[in-house]
Amino acid sequence: EPEVTQTPSHQVTQMGQEVILRCVPISNHLYFYWYRQILGQKVEFLVSFYNNEISEKSEIFDDQFSVERPDGSNFTLKIRSTKLEDSAMYFCASSWGTSGSKETQYFGPGTRLLVL
Amino acid sequence: AQKITQTQPGMFVQEKEAVTLDCTYDTSDPSYGLFWYKQPSSGEMIFLIYQGSYDQQNATEGRYSLNFQKARKSANLVISASQLGDSAMYFCAMREGTGGYQKVTFGTGTKLQVIP
Repeated sequence: EPEVTQTPSHQVTQMGQEVILRCVPISNHLYFYWYRQILGQKVEFLVSFYNNEISEKSEIFDDQFSVERPDGSNFTLKIRSTKLEDSAMYFCASSWGTSGSKETQYFGPGTRLLVL
Repeated sequence: AQKITQTQPGMFVQEKEAVTLDCTYDTSDPSYGLFWYKQPSSGEMIFLIYQGSYDQQNATEGRYSLNFQKARKSANLVISASQLGDSAMYFCAMREGTGGYQKVTFGTGTKLQVIP
């Protein structure tokens, strides 16, 4: 069964460093997303991406964050200068469409980011 | 106001019994989608079931069913014949709006523990 994959599974970085989190969405999906989950808290939406551009973003997704689809399969989240409060599990998700059951977002296994 | 409310932080159920996890939602939009996800201790987010706001029948997927009561704005998850592997966090989530908005809002989750 097709699935979303994410690399790395864990990332430890120093405050102020740049990190790139990578995702390979399900191959025929058109919509891509990033969410984060701070330990013990609920999952929060960051950004959605369609047709090579951001379609929606949350207030969390400030200028420190960017997303890119550099080729036909990868979808990346970059954090330019990490802060301690960026420590969280980051989930990539993808969906085929935006209505009916096609809007179901399938999540990857997550990247656990720790900023020291 | 919270968009998604899960009032049960923790639940216990005996193996092979059925359990209902509560979820209420708040939206004024006529078009929305409701989801349940399972998060085991390993951290991944597993899609369980989807209900569209215009769907006439309650969604079912194997042992999972969604008790959709539109007028009461509730979307409770029913797990029949609980198994030890069902022990996990369960999140109710909602996508609202039309025009391609895809942001999904999550509840705070219910931790289910299945007792042998």
